[in-house]
Amino acid sequence: GENVEQHPSTLSVQEGDSAVIKCTYSDSASNYFPWYKQELGKGPQLIIDIRSNVGEKKDQRIAVTLNKTAKHFSLHITETQPEDSAVYFCAASGGNNRLAFGKGNQVVVIP
Amino acid sequence: EAGVTQFPSHSVIEKGQTVTLRCDPISGHDNLYWYRRVMGKEIKFLLHFVKESKQDESGMPNNRFLAERTGGTYSTLKVQPAELEDSGVYFCASSQVGQGGTEAFFGQGTRLTVV
Repeated sequence: GENVEQHPSTLSVQEGDSAVIKCTYSDSASNYFPWYKQELGKGPQLIIDIRSNVGEKKDQRIAVTLNKTAKHFSLHITETQPEDSAVYFCAASGGNNRLAFGKGNQVVVIP
Repeated sequence: EAGVTQFPSHSVIEKGQTVTLRCDPISGHDNLYWYRRVMGKEIKFLLHFVKESKQDESGMPNNRFLAERTGGTYSTLKVQPAELEDSGVYFCASSQVGQGGTEAFFGQGTRLTVV
């Protein structure tokens, strides 16, 4: 089955700086790559996703890039703010509708 | 519009007891999924319903876990008898059919602690 690796496990950034989280996947048939943000006491919230027919997608301060050849995708957060502090999960999915998640990345934005 | 809701938010039970978790998906979502996160590890798929039918239950750990979705609305996940290794956070998610992807929306989770 699909195996998703997520790096780094923790990331601390100064407020205003950029944060980048990288994920790799193993199954070349995967075609859908969502990113979830989980705040304390809440469930994972979908923040952005990308499909295999595009290489980049942007939504305000967040963007996701996809390299199908290398089988990796990344989340970019610019101008980080304290409310960006959370656990971020990447995931991959193919035609079977099930999501394979990475282990999560704790992002801490230091004011 | 209400999101995915799960009940209870937290459950502490003794080894050998039974626990039933409930999930109410977003209205109109035919796809319903159960996932589980054991401490420190990734969120893992358990099973997938399309309406009341089990589409994929390959992630269910063993026969102590039973999921149902009678009538294609809410779903329950029963663990009987519970073991220590069943502790974790159980998430439910739902999505519409035919969106061309799996834009799944998650509930807040049920934290299960087996002691």
